Amino acid sequence: GAVVSQHPSRVICKSGTSVKIECRSLDFQATTMFWYRQFPKKSLMLMATSNEGSKATYEQGVEKDKFLINHASLTLSTLTVTSAHPEDSSFYICSARDWGLASGANVLTFGAGSRLTVL
Amino acid sequence: DAKTTQPNSMESNEEEPVHLPCNHSTISGTDYIHWYRQLPSQGPEYVIHGLTSNVNNRMASLAIAEDRKSSTLILHRATLRDAAVYYCIPTSGGSNYKLTFGKGTLLTVNP
Repeated sequence: GAVVSQHPSRVICKSGTSVKIECRSLDFQATTMFWYRQFPKKSLMLMATSNEGSKATYEQGVEKDKFLINHASLTLSTLTVTSAHPEDSSFYICSARDWGLASGANVLTFGAGSRLTVL
Repeated sequence: DAKTTQPNSMESNEEEPVHLPCNHSTISGTDYIHWYRQLPSQGPEYVIHGLTSNVNNRMASLAIAEDRKSSTLILHRATLRDAAVYYCIPTSGGSNYKLTFGKGTLLTVNP
C-alpha cells in the first residue's frame, strides 16, 4: 500500500529556533496532505490542510505564522515550527489520501510522526 | 462533523474476538464510516471503512447497523499487536473532507 514518510522522527531544539518537518508520499502523488499534532494521552488534532501549489488551510486557533506549511510538489509537504517554545513540544503527524484505497471514500495514510521537544 | 461515542477503554484476551462499538447517530447519509487505530508512539493506521453494507478485510470486519447510527469493529482473534487506540470516524466521501479524531477506545489485550 501507499507509504507516507516523515522526517525527522525525533528532534530536540532550543527555544526560539525553528524546526522543519518533512512529509513525503512514496510512490504516489498527494495533492492534499494533512498535518496533525498530538499531546500525550490526547487525541490527534487537525492543524491544517496542505494543498499542492496553493496556500494551506488552517484550522481555527492554529497560528499560520507560527506553523508554516509548504506543499511545493506532489510528493512533499513541510511543516516549519517557527520560534519554537516548550509549549510547542508535541507529536506532529502528517497524512495523505491513499487513492489506492479510495473506492469513493477518503482513506488516509499516515506518517510515523515526528516528536518535537523544545528545551 | 458527525459526533461519535466510543467506550474509553476495553479489554480482551489474546486469541479471543473483540467487538468495538461506536455510536454515530448524527451521521450524514453520504458519510463513510472509517476505523483507524494508533499503536503507541506511531501514526494512525487505516483499518477498514464502509458505507452501508458490512465489510471484511484481512485486518477486521465492520458491522454497520441498518439505520447507520452505529457500527462495530470486529477483530476476530485479538493478538498482542492489536493493543492500540481505535478511532471510529464518519467522513465525507466528497472532495472537501477532513478526518476529525475523537477520543477513541483504548484496547488492552491480555496474554
